Parts: sequence; C-alpha cells; structure tokens
Amino acid sequence: QVQLVQSGAEVKKPEASVKVSCKASRFTFTGYYIHWVRQAPGQGPEWMGWINPDSGDTDYAQKFQGRVTMTRDTSINTAYMELSSLNSDDTAVYFCARGSLVGGSTSAFDVWGQGTMVTVSS
Amino acid sequence: EIVLTQSPGTLSLSPGERATLSCRASQSVSNNHLAWYQQKPGQAPRLLIYGASSRATGIPDRFSGSGSGTDFTLTISRLEPEDFAVYFCQQYGSSPRTFGQGTKVEIK
Repeated sequence: QVQLVQSGAEVKKPEASVKVSCKASRFTFTGYYIHWVRQAPGQGPEWMGWINPDSGDTDYAQKFQGRVTMTRDTSINTAYMELSSLNSDDTAVYFCARGSLVGGSTSAFDVWGQGTMVTVSS
Repeated sequence: EIVLTQSPGTLSLSPGERATLSCRASQSVSNNHLAWYQQKPGQAPRLLIYGASSRATGIPDRFSGSGSGTDFTLTISRLEPEDFAVYFCQQYGSSPRTFGQGTKVEIK
C-alpha cells in the first residue's frame, strides 16, 4: 500500500544536527508535496515546512528558518529533513506526511510516516 | 498565523454516546481548508475529515465534520471502543499550516 517509511530513532547532543529520512513507496514520489511535522511529548503537532520533490523547492515555517533544510533524492524516492543547532526543545517525534499533488490545490495530509523520535540530551 | 483553539481539552464519555468536538480559528480559514485527525498513542495522526466536512477514504460514517469560517465541529455519532483517542484539527488554507492542541476522548 501507499506508505512513507522513516529512519530510526536518534539521540543527539545539544548543538548537534540530525537528519531524518522518509522513503516513499507505491505512489509517484515526484507527484506530491512532502511535509514535515513534529510533535513534542504531550503537545499538538507543529508544521515545519514542505518540499516539492519534483523541483526541490521548499517552504519553511518562519520558526525554523535558518535551522532546517529539506532535500530529496528522486533516484531512491526519499525525502530528508535536517535540523541543526539542536537544543532540548527540539526533543520530539518528527513525521513526514504527504500533501497535495504538485501543481494542485492545497490539501490535508493523507499519508504519514511512522515517526522518528529525536532526543536531544547532554 | 492562524491559531486553532480546540475544546474541550478532555471529553469523558461512554461507548455508544455522541461526541462533539470544537475547533475555533483566530481568523477565517481559507476555503474551509480544515481537517480533523485522530491519533492513538505511539501512532501517527490519521486523516478523518478534510475540507471541513468530507470524509477521508475508509473513514466510517459515524464521523462527520461541519462548520465554516472560524467555527468547526467534529461529531462522532456513536462512540466505538476504537474511537477513544486524541483528535486534532488543522488548517491548511494558509501558511504556516497550523494545528490545534487536541481534544482527548477518554472512556468514562
């Protein structure tokens, strides 16, 4: 079935960077926006930004500007989210999610990855 | 940025009862681009409703969404045991996409 599969849990020290991967299967990877959302323990989800896998264009939430980089490798249908200068507030589960068709109107997120726990601790 | 406020924070109900969840936006949601998600512990959110009132693929008809502008409602007509979970609303009509803080539906 259509799915997004993410990389495994990470433990990082403050000031380090983390890179999470999200592999798409059974749909046209370059045909849909991929969004990244994080969720701190006990909190609501927080949108971080999107990447257009076809063009590589990105749009980041202002909160993460300068600290987040979203990329993709179309040869292996995989999107990446890298977050730098980590601090304890970045401890959260990070999700990738499928958004709208590229070139289509905005849409809700209908397919989600299983989540990647990132723990920031000294 | 559109702030979404969900109420109540927790809803304590019994199986078979009706659940009514509210989501209020700080400004009008463009084209009623409002979604509802269900989340169970340790799982990713699951899309239930999009466009304020359209059910996603495979979602039972006991789930319904309504509302427009700034006030939206998710109704679960008769709670099944598997419906006890946390529910989030999300607006996707403007950037940044934003989520509510969630309503937990727990067994009374």
